Formats: sequence, structure tokens, C-alpha cells
Amino acid sequence: KAGVTQTPRYLIKTRGQQVTLSCSPISGHRSVSWYQQTPGQGLQFLFEYFSETQRNKGNFPGRFSGRQFSNSRSEMNVSTLELGDSALYLCASRPGADNSPLHFGNGTRLTVT
Amino acid sequence: AQSVTQLDSQVPVFEEAPVELRCNYSSSVSVYLFWYVQYPNQGLQLLLKYLSGSTLVKGINGFEAEFNKSQTSFHLRKPSVHISDTAEYFCAVSEFSGGYNKLIFGAGTRLAVHP
Repeated sequence: KAGVTQTPRYLIKTRGQQVTLSCSPISGHRSVSWYQQTPGQGLQFLFEYFSETQRNKGNFPGRFSGRQFSNSRSEMNVSTLELGDSALYLCASRPGADNSPLHFGNGTRLTVT
Repeated sequence: AQSVTQLDSQVPVFEEAPVELRCNYSSSVSVYLFWYVQYPNQGLQLLLKYLSGSTLVKGINGFEAEFNKSQTSFHLRKPSVHISDTAEYFCAVSEFSGGYNKLIFGAGTRLAVHP
């Protein structure tokens, strides 16, 4: 079974631009979560989607948004990029049961210049 | 809100020596605990999980962890490490929020295995 796939692996953007990251979950998984990983802040929860609905959200500004499609694929969008948005963005999926472990993709490394 | 404290940011150890990576979490009525490993340029891989039952949990790659409710700890151990165990290790606790569970991660412990 294929794992969680994130595209692209690397992105370089300039301040003020916007970016969209994509995540394809493991087949049959209906829940997709997004995390931001930085050396200073560690792993921080962004949001979780289940059956196309956002069911949990972290403490990030409104510039960070996401959505989930009917096939469970998810996208994350960051608008008006800031230097501090440079990070590894990790997507994770799980079947949907709340206590089931997350399965992570290899992430998208975003660099904002 | 739940929190997770990984007491050591870095742990150096020689190959074939035992290792313990420490993790403490804030108290809760019921908790679900996880350890993940991250190799360079990769995502996180689940090592083991505690949901209920036996407090000693065995995971992949020879790792195990013990859930201690009275000390609110979930330390990760391996009796004999290999060079290939060099990686960053994250402890995580499941937090019930808004009707759903989300994972809260510790800051990570970088394990460096030396020959």
C-alpha cells in the first residue's frame, strides 16, 4: 500500500507570495492532518480534515488554510508569505478513528526569501 | 491543554550500549501516547503506541517504552543501539480538543550513536 505522498518536496518562494502544498493520504484513510516543523518551534499542529470538513485547528493565523477533497486528498495554502513561514510542512493521514496513529509523508520543505 | 516534555535535547551514546530517551506529559484522565522517529529529510515514522492495557509496549527496531501513570512518564528504551538508530525521536500525546483528538508533540531528542 502506498504511503502518504506530498508534493512538491521543495519550494522556494519570496515574501508576499502565496503557496499551495498537496497531500495524498494512504488509500482508505479519511483523515488528513498538517503540521509545521521548524528548529525553533518544533512540530506544531495546523489543522485536521475529515470527510472534507475541518474538525480541528491549531493556533495559526488566517493566512494558513486548507481543504480536503472528496477523494480525501488535501491541500494547504499559505498566503502573503513571511520569512518565518520557512519550514518543513508535514502531512499525516489516519483511517479516521481518533486514537489511531498518524502516518506521515516526507514533507514539503518551504523556503521563503 | 496537554503538553509533552522531552527532558534531553541530545543523547550521545556508543554503539551497542543501552539508551533511554525520557518523556513526561501533563496529567489527564486518560492518555494515548506515541513515540515517532524521524530520519534526515524524511517524515515521522511510528515506533510504538500506548492506548491501553499492558504498560510495557514493544515497538519496531527493538525499541520499547513503559507507561508510568503515577510519574506521568513514557520513556523509550533500547538495550543495544546501532549506528542506524541515529535520528530524532519525538514523544507525542493525544489531546482531546473540540470533540476530537489531536497529537501534541514534544520538542524531540536527537540520538547520536557513535562507533
